[in-house]
Amino acid sequence: DQQVKQNSPSLSVQEGRISILNCDYTNSMFDYFLWYKKYPAEGPTFLISISSIKDKNEDGRFTVFLNKSAKHLSLHIVPSQPGDSAVYFCATPGGATNKLIFGTGTLLAVQP
Amino acid sequence: EAQVTQNPRYLITVTGKKLTVTCSQNMNHEYMSWYRQDPGLGLRQIYYSMNVEVTDKGDVPEGYKVSRKEKRNFPLILESPSPNQTSLYFCASRAYTGSPLHFGNGTRLTVT
Repeated sequence: DQQVKQNSPSLSVQEGRISILNCDYTNSMFDYFLWYKKYPAEGPTFLISISSIKDKNEDGRFTVFLNKSAKHLSLHIVPSQPGDSAVYFCATPGGATNKLIFGTGTLLAVQP
Repeated sequence: EAQVTQNPRYLITVTGKKLTVTCSQNMNHEYMSWYRQDPGLGLRQIYYSMNVEVTDKGDVPEGYKVSRKEKRNFPLILESPSPNQTSLYFCASRAYTGSPLHFGNGTRLTVT
């Protein structure tokens, strides 16, 4: 049973447009979330995080929104660039201190 | 350069032949962990270590062993590999609880 779900395995967006990647979680006690980006043949790298005391966190072109009542978070990339093409994972500690629970990932392709 | 280094990057082996995947970090991190990535399943934790000589099971520890004799190294040992351990493996470390994980570039293992 997936505690963190990314229901879209892939997403294709035109360069310059907005990319929206979605993530749902099952446990309302989860209070901290992270997004990682992964290029082929590389390990995941941390992108942005959000705590449940906020509903939005912004870092340059990347913004994460958290809707606690819906148990949903989304990553917005504006404007999208070809270099953003990668697999994006959402993750949460899920209340533990010793691990991250990852979603299954969404492959983003930004078309020039 | 701060990094997590895994070796080898690619490994093809046969069922039952013991192997070790090495992991080393140069950031003086106390916490280290191993994950495996499989299609449709995201990343799942195999083992983790909170400090030297302190290791514990993650979500999918069966068929794996680890050791932590020094802070910088955290090898993953497969005593008798089986085809269901064919996967992409990542080692990770972090500075403190709640800080993002730093991942190595991965080891793609194929067991025939």
